Amino acid sequence: DGGITQSPKYLFRKEGQNVTLSCEQNLNHDAMYWYRQDPGQGLRLIYYSQIVNDFQKGDIAEGYSVSREKKESFPLTVTSAQKNPTAFYLCASSIVGRGRTEAFFGQGTRLTVV
Amino acid sequence: LAKTTQPISMDSYEGQEVNITCSHNNIATNDYITWYQQFPSQGPRFIIQGYKTKVTNEVASLFIPADRKSSTLSLPRVSLSDTAVYYCLVGEWSSASKIIFGSGTRLSIRP
Repeated sequence: DGGITQSPKYLFRKEGQNVTLSCEQNLNHDAMYWYRQDPGQGLRLIYYSQIVNDFQKGDIAEGYSVSREKKESFPLTVTSAQKNPTAFYLCASSIVGRGRTEAFFGQGTRLTVV
Repeated sequence: LAKTTQPISMDSYEGQEVNITCSHNNIATNDYITWYQQFPSQGPRFIIQGYKTKVTNEVASLFIPADRKSSTLSLPRVSLSDTAVYYCLVGEWSSASKIIFGSGTRLSIRP
């Protein structure tokens, strides 16, 4: 089935360690996005990418890094520079082009830093 | 980017019709209005999208007045399973621009 797969679903890391969250899609979508969600809050955009080998910062990019080496994959690294990394992370993808479309979301990764 | 404003929370009862209104005064000509539903610990799910007038699908209706400065999501005969957070977004997903989510409306349905 087509869709977006985020892994793992739960992730625990020690403070000061970098951690990489996986996001893979087989929808042949050009655009991919990473959002962060804190308890009781809306989604905040971290990074987005329109095309392979290109990406732009969202509103809260500090302490995060991404890569887009393949169309299907958009991994997010949470670095030790991110002061409050514990959160729910969501990946999405969408078609790029004129006209109406929608974004498809993965099921999320809940990161807990202890 | 058009900013959206929607109520923080709403309560209703099973079997009722629920209308959630979203204000987007700065909507651009090319922007579409999209509504998403999110359950706890899950990714948002697309509900409905429209540009003007009325759009209806199997789960909801979307009403957009002529000036497009607001929109109303209508959920007919809600059930307990409709308890969720509903987000109104304005923009063009197709251009992969910075799609911004607001705080959403937390809808609680009671028996």
